[in-house]
Amino acid sequence: EVLLVESGGGVVRPGGSLRLSCAASGFKFEDFGMSWVRQVPGKGLEWVSSINWDGGSRGYEDSVKGRFTISRDNAQNSLYLQMKSLRAEDTAFYYCARHYDFRSPLDVWGQGTSVTVSS
Amino acid sequence: QSVLTQPPSVSGAPGQRVIISCTGSISNIGAAYDVHWYQLLPGTAPKLLIFGTTNRPSGVPDRFSGSRSASSASLAITGLQAEDEGDYYCQSFDSSLSDSRIFGGGTKLTVL
Repeated sequence: EVLLVESGGGVVRPGGSLRLSCAASGFKFEDFGMSWVRQVPGKGLEWVSSINWDGGSRGYEDSVKGRFTISRDNAQNSLYLQMKSLRAEDTAFYYCARHYDFRSPLDVWGQGTSVTVSS
Repeated sequence: QSVLTQPPSVSGAPGQRVIISCTGSISNIGAAYDVHWYQLLPGTAPKLLIFGTTNRPSGVPDRFSGSRSASSASLAITGLQAEDEGDYYCQSFDSSLSDSRIFGGGTKLTVL
C-alpha cells in the first residue's frame, strides 16, 4: 500500500522552530518529487514547498522563503520540512504529497500533522 | 484571497448533478496549465479526483468529470451520493508566480 505519514507537528511559540517529517512506504520514493501543502484552519489549501527526486531543485512559497527548508533522504524514504522563525500565520495542518515533476498532480497525500504557533 | 476563485458552497439532493467552478486568469488556467481537482472528506487524507483537467485516476467513479473553457475550469458530479459531501479544491499553476502551484479557495459540497 502506498502510504505517506507525517509527524513532528505540535505547539510552538512565535519565533520558534519545528521539523516536520514525512515517512513514505509502498513505492520507490526516489522516483518521485515531493511537496508540502498546508491548510489554515477554516481556510483553503496552500502550497508551501516542493523538492525534486534528488533534492537538486527546490521551490518555496514566498511567505516561507528564508524561513523553511525542504529536504529529503532517499535512503530513509523520508521528506522533511525544517521551519524556523515561525509566525502565528504558519498555524495550519501540514500535508506531504507525492508527484512526478513540479507540474504533475499531487497523487498521494498523507493524513497531515498540525502545527500551532502561539504564545 | 486565492488566485483561483471557487464558490464557497454548493449543494444538491442525492442523485442530482452539481457543478463546481474554478475561475482563473490568463496567467494560470487561461495559459493552458493543467487543472487538477482534489477531494477532502472529513477525517481522510486529501484525494486526487481529476488530473490534467479532464482525466480520472484509477478508482475514481465516472460520476466525476472535469472540463475547461478559456480561463475557467469546472468539476461536475452526477448522481450525487451522501459520501460525496466534503470539500473540493481546484489547483493549477501560475506564470506570474514563477509557475508556482496554486489552489482555489475550496468549495463545500453539501448533499441535502
